[in-house]
Amino acid sequence: QKEVEQDPGPLSVPEGAIVSLNCTYSNSAFQYFMWYRQYSRKGPELLMYTYSSGNKEDGRFTAQVDKSSKYISLFIRDSQPSDSATYLCAMEGDSSYKLIFGSGTRLLVRP
Amino acid sequence: DADVTQTPRNRITKTGKRIMLECSQTKGHDRMYWYRQDPGLGLRLIYYSFDVKDINKGEISDGYSVSRQAQAKFSLSLESAIPNQTALYFCATSGQETGLQYFGPGTRLLVL
Repeated sequence: QKEVEQDPGPLSVPEGAIVSLNCTYSNSAFQYFMWYRQYSRKGPELLMYTYSSGNKEDGRFTAQVDKSSKYISLFIRDSQPSDSATYLCAMEGDSSYKLIFGSGTRLLVRP
Repeated sequence: DADVTQTPRNRITKTGKRIMLECSQTKGHDRMYWYRQDPGLGLRLIYYSFDVKDINKGEISDGYSVSRQAQAKFSLSLESAIPNQTALYFCATSGQETGLQYFGPGTRLLVL
């Protein structure tokens, strides 16, 4: 079993929809949780990060962590075609700052 | 200018050849990383370095070596390339305060 599980998609939604992207994990020691966005043929770009449990909002994006369920989510409101990309979750594995990545969910927002 | 740069961006080579991928950063970070990305497997850590004198193997270091020439430069070598090393390779950096990593644009490598 992988330490971090992420549905590969693709997830196809119409423009303006609310998108929910999720990851589950098995290691209860994870403390930092991140979301990266990766456009085709580009490097991953850090989108949001949260420490421990709770929510964090940045514009149309909300990151949510539920440590009791070992479940993290990224919500995108009013999705735009420019949001079409692969979204990777990542977690800090231990104090050595090595990140464990999910395999990514491909999102397509249709105009 | 990009904070993390990688050269070359694309490379085609033949089995058995030695190749080097280079990474430079202007973020002033001490920590640097090399990953490979394969479809369905996500990002896997090859090597990481916390400073010039500290280099560590990641989960898939076999067949690879690295060199940290300076704080800002970290190179990845494939001593004798093989076809299953065909992948997208990314360099990343992070500061000491957090584990937030910032990625370069990647090198697309094809080994024939």
